[in-house]
Amino acid sequence: DAGVIQSPRHEVTEMGQEVTLRCKPISGHDYLFWYRQTMMRGLELLIYFNNNVPIDDSGMPEDRFSAKMPNASFSTLKIQPSEPRDSAVYFCASSLVGAAGELFFGEGSRLTVL
Amino acid sequence: AQKVTQAQTEISVVEKEDVTLDCVYETRDTTYYLFWYKQPPSGELVFLIRRNSFDEQNEISGRYSWNFQKSTSSFNFTITASQVVDSAVYFCALTLTSTSGTYKYIFGTGTRLKVLA
Repeated sequence: DAGVIQSPRHEVTEMGQEVTLRCKPISGHDYLFWYRQTMMRGLELLIYFNNNVPIDDSGMPEDRFSAKMPNASFSTLKIQPSEPRDSAVYFCASSLVGAAGELFFGEGSRLTVL
Repeated sequence: AQKVTQAQTEISVVEKEDVTLDCVYETRDTTYYLFWYKQPPSGELVFLIRRNSFDEQNEISGRYSWNFQKSTSSFNFTITASQVVDSAVYFCALTLTSTSGTYKYIFGTGTRLKVLA
């Protein structure tokens, strides 16, 4: 079975450019999460969805960040405009159930903003 | 306040040594879940174990064992006879339901384990 699929794996862009990260969760998983990992701040939950509906976006840093889940098999995280401090590894994860369920992570998208 | 503390930032051991990774959590909730995840050098986080707050039984899986103690709010992870392939960053996590009904997912800062040949 395919796991969580993220693209692109690596993205290098210049400050001010728009960045779109994509995620395909495991089929049948009702929860989808976006995490950001940096050396300074560790793993931060940005937002999570349940049945395609955003439930908690309190971790989204600012208005430059937006996430959508138009259907059960696809989600995007967009940064516009990007800044150097957005450089991080962005993970998508999915889960079958809520708090009790383990998270299945994708391989991550490493973003570098110059 | 809910929090997960992994006080050990980095641990180095020699192959075949036993090593324990500490995890201390804070919550006033009576229902919660604790997890351990492994992040090898390749980067992808991998689930290792889940425990709910009502199940304090320790668990052993091969060389891995977990000690859950509610009295000390700890969920420690021991690797017996460590191997080089155990080198990774290990995260402890706590999940629970907030007063608003949403779920909270709280990760510790991770412990980097280096197993030397």
